[in-house]
Parts: sequence; C-alpha cells; structure tokens
Amino acid sequence: NAGVTQTPKFRVLKTGQSMTLLCAQDMNHEYMYWYRQDPGMGLRLIHYSVGEGTTAKGEVPDGYNVSRLKKQNFLLGLESAAPSQTSVYFCASSSGQGRWETQYFGPGTRLLVL
Amino acid sequence: GENVEQHPSTLSVQEGDSAVIKCTYSDSASNYFPWYKQELGKRPQLIIDIRSNVGEKKDQRIAVTLNKTAKHFSLHITETQPEDSAVYFCATGGGADGLTFGKGTHLIIQP
Repeated sequence: NAGVTQTPKFRVLKTGQSMTLLCAQDMNHEYMYWYRQDPGMGLRLIHYSVGEGTTAKGEVPDGYNVSRLKKQNFLLGLESAAPSQTSVYFCASSSGQGRWETQYFGPGTRLLVL
Repeated sequence: GENVEQHPSTLSVQEGDSAVIKCTYSDSASNYFPWYKQELGKRPQLIIDIRSNVGEKKDQRIAVTLNKTAKHFSLHITETQPEDSAVYFCATGGGADGLTFGKGTHLIIQP
C-alpha cells in the first residue's frame, strides 16, 4: 500500500513550457486535491475533485488545469509555465465518506520555472 | 472565503518546556480543525485533529483546544523533545472543499 504518490519529484521548466504532474492513490479515495506551497504562505488549494470525471476550482486555480479520468489518478497541468509557478506541489486525498476526514498527502513535486 | 491566521511564525523553546501555537479562523461554519507537522523537505503529516462537537482532544504529549465562540483553536505540546522541531500548520474545513491552512509556525527546540 503506497498511499499517495507523485511524479516527478523535481522538474525544471523554461517559461512557456508545459508539463503535467501526476498524482496516484491506492486507497480507493473519492476526493483528491492539489495544493501549492510557497515560503511563508502555507499550503493553498489549486483544484480538487470529488470523484472520477469531476473537478472544481480552489483558491488559486489560474494557470492550471486538472483532470480526473480515473478514480486513482489526478493530473495537474501547466499549459504555459511562468516563474510565479515555481513552488512545491502537493497532492492529497481523502475517503469522501464524511465531512471531517483526514487528508493524506503525497511526497511533493518541486517545480522550478526559469 | 475562509481566512486562517496562525501565531507565532517562529517559536523557540527549551527542551522539556511546553509550546503553544494559536490559530484563528473567520468562517463560523468551519467544523474540522486538523494540525499538520512538516519536517524539512517532507510532506505534511497529520498529528491531531478536532471536530466541532469537541472542545479538547489529547494524544500523549499533544493536545488541541477549540473555542468555537471566539473562533480560535490551539496546539499544545508538552515536554518538548528535539524531534518536535518542525513547521506546524493549522487548518480548517475538510470534506469536499479542501482545507484552508495557516501560514505555519517554525518550532525550534533548544537543547
């Protein structure tokens, strides 16, 4: 049982390039989330999904797109990377069986946009 | 949207002393209050959480208190140890809408 995994662990992009971050969970969780973490800012919600085929915007969605084609996977896309998107990205999941649920985080992806 | 304020941003205590971190929130409808610990370069990990129908919860050296009237909640760590050194985040929310996090407290345990 790997829990929540993320690929890649680290990536360097040039401004304007695109990439996709992959989050996978093997806990059969319904809810999945993407957060970004910047120094002194805590974690901020980018997008989330309450089930396969559904997505919704969080606090800071601009410049990102997401897809949840399979229940176990949640993809975060950057169509045209900007230096402001340099950050650590964390994926999380929760079971979706109640409102007060633990979110389990992946190990993070460090992204540097030059 | 929800706003979570966390204080202090840095806390230095002597090993063996207690540490207290406080958070205030704005949305009176919030009813789930987790605390996460994050070591350098690692993922956030849940250390304790409290639901709105409970005022206090304790787990060994860690306790959380909640005052819904005043909209604040606190993390208490007693008998601090070197391994408690980390960044601690409070959060509110839960369920489908995700969590709103405070900006974090860097806890330093002095030997």
